[in-house]
Amino acid sequence: EMQVLESGGGLVQPGGSLRLSCAASGSTFSGYAVSWVRQAPGKGLEWVSTISANGGSTDDADSVKGRFTITRDNSKNTVYLQMDSLRAEDTAVYYCTKRRGGFQSDAFDIWGQGAVVTVSS
Amino acid sequence: SYVLTQPPSLSVAPGQTARITCGGDSIGRKSVHWYQQKPGQAPVLVLYDDSDRPSGIPERFSGSNSGNTATLTINRVEAADEADFYCQVWDRSSDHYVFGTGTKVTV
Repeated sequence: EMQVLESGGGLVQPGGSLRLSCAASGSTFSGYAVSWVRQAPGKGLEWVSTISANGGSTDDADSVKGRFTITRDNSKNTVYLQMDSLRAEDTAVYYCTKRRGGFQSDAFDIWGQGAVVTVSS
Repeated sequence: SYVLTQPPSLSVAPGQTARITCGGDSIGRKSVHWYQQKPGQAPVLVLYDDSDRPSGIPERFSGSNSGNTATLTINRVEAADEADFYCQVWDRSSDHYVFGTGTKVTV
């Protein structure tokens, strides 16, 4: 069964950058869209970005549009989230999650354990 | 933007039935998914497409969706069911994914 593992989290100053990685094991990522979902401390889930199976299409939440960029390298079975111009309100656990089917309305069926991002001076 | 509203909390005795609602404009026209999240853990998909269960999810979990309300029902609630639950849809008009506000279920 597929598993995903996030890495790259940490402490960064406001205005700084960070790149998260999401690596899949046990199966290939390449046939599925992948998303990032975040959860601020004590808050609910917030969708951040999605990339299509072939990487040709992406969508971003308004709160990160123009600052975050999602990409993927299917040869490495890995999806990335480049986060620039970070703000305190971006502090959260960032989860990588795979969509279970080929439709945009499909559910997120596989989740990683999350990467902690803290934006603070 | 599309909004999904859930009750903040729900308390249920062991063995009883928990019903968690998710309200949204014409949500009955959308596919609703439900996630369970225990403290310190990642979310887990418990229902997809309104009422389908992934493998490994007990039959005690069921769902319905009509009009402006989707409902997750947990029969014969157990202590291990205590968690936060989130509904989720894809909003075609904005091309964005939307999560509900979340419901904390206390057993």
